[in-house]
Amino acid sequence: QVQLQESGPGLVKPSGTLSLTCAVSGYSISSSNWWRWVRQPPGKGLEWIGEIYHSGTTNYNPSLKSRVTMSVDKSKNEFSLNLNSVIAADTAVYYCGCGSGAFSLDYWGQGTLVTVSS
Amino acid sequence: QSVLTQPPSVSGAPGQRVSISCTGSSSNIGAGYDVQWYQFVPGVAPKFLIYGDSKRPSGVPERFSGSKSGTSASLAINGLQAEDEANYYCQSYDRSLSISVFGGGTKLTVL
Repeated sequence: QVQLQESGPGLVKPSGTLSLTCAVSGYSISSSNWWRWVRQPPGKGLEWIGEIYHSGTTNYNPSLKSRVTMSVDKSKNEFSLNLNSVIAADTAVYYCGCGSGAFSLDYWGQGTLVTVSS
Repeated sequence: QSVLTQPPSVSGAPGQRVSISCTGSSSNIGAGYDVQWYQFVPGVAPKFLIYGDSKRPSGVPERFSGSKSGTSASLAINGLQAEDEANYYCQSYDRSLSISVFGGGTKLTVL
């Protein structure tokens, strides 16, 4: 059974960088899955952030593309999300997930709340 | 405002059948892109319920079924159980936005 767990600071200052890691267990990150990030601002719907394949190929949401970077660490079996120049509107619960389908999330982490505030 | 439209809430008594709609457009569901459904329960990792419009991943009870017609999709839950009380989200792909998109979510209350 694949398990994913997000970790990272729960509070980030405006203009700073949001950095999250998703630890994967029960499955190799080098498998044929896409590793994905989704977020949900308080009281709002889900927003697709992007995805990364173990080869390093990425696809980002065009609205976030200029600020997002994703990476994979095969030695630690984890993948990461960096979002720079954050603003209050980036406050959200961030979920990591994975899927073998075109854009599905077959498995999810529990999510982690990141608040952007000074 | 979500690209895919879902009713904010639905309810049903134990044992009943409920249906949750997901309405899109010709640039997403109507373009033939697959629809997925997820179940969100507070404090628990979200669960993958339906993929490819109507297929169930291993382990998902047969009580859950999905369908699609035109620019809309639906999730049906038969034999409603107390444990089904959750928020449900649909997902597809939008070719105009070039991203995966979600519905706004529907809160299911089991009476």
